[in-house]
Amino acid sequence: SQQGEEDPQALSIQEGENATMNCSYKTSINNLQWYRQNSGRGLVHLILIRSNEREKHSGRLRVTLDTSKKSSSLLITASRAADTASYFCATEAYYGNNRLAFGKGNQVVVIP
Amino acid sequence: NAGVTQTPKFQVLKTGQSMTLQCAQDMNHNSMYWYRQDPGMGLRLIYYSASEGTTDKGEVPNGYNVSRLNKREFSLRLESAAPSQTSVYFCASSFDATGGYNSPLHFGNGTRLTVT
Repeated sequence: SQQGEEDPQALSIQEGENATMNCSYKTSINNLQWYRQNSGRGLVHLILIRSNEREKHSGRLRVTLDTSKKSSSLLITASRAADTASYFCATEAYYGNNRLAFGKGNQVVVIP
Repeated sequence: NAGVTQTPKFQVLKTGQSMTLQCAQDMNHNSMYWYRQDPGMGLRLIYYSASEGTTDKGEVPNGYNVSRLNKREFSLRLESAAPSQTSVYFCASSFDATGGYNSPLHFGNGTRLTVT
């Protein structure tokens, strides 16, 4: 299965701390994307990183990609209560079957 | 801009009933997608459409039909609802013109469907 898997699956941190979550996948990819989902809402795109990129930043978010280890990490710096959400990684396989395979999600709770 | 709008937000059906979930986007996107989200399963692709007039099956198409009415609208129909179709349904769109994933997906807020 190409489906990404996030780790840890649940994370509880204090406001101001950094939150790191990882995603592993199984086959070669074109790109990997991270999404956030607040309770009862749709997913919101955070960052897309292509297979030839190693790191991308967006505001307080930093994503790394290690294609040799088939893994990615999402770092949220100086977390805020509003960062409380589920975070999903999604991969597009290199040998595309027109699927964006989503992981099961990582629940992050930021305690004020 | 409204982005991706889904209707209805909630629906309860009895087994065997039919219904259509509506989705519209105002971002001039080319590709549109229907996903379902179930606890512990992540999101699974039901159908997608790379352009007006074309649709293709995704991972879990059985029991569903779709129509790409025009560039803006992509509807999902359940002809004979089953309890296994109880789920949260999300419509998404992207600028990608191939039905692929080189551009980010923009999601609606979902339709919560219960089939009894």
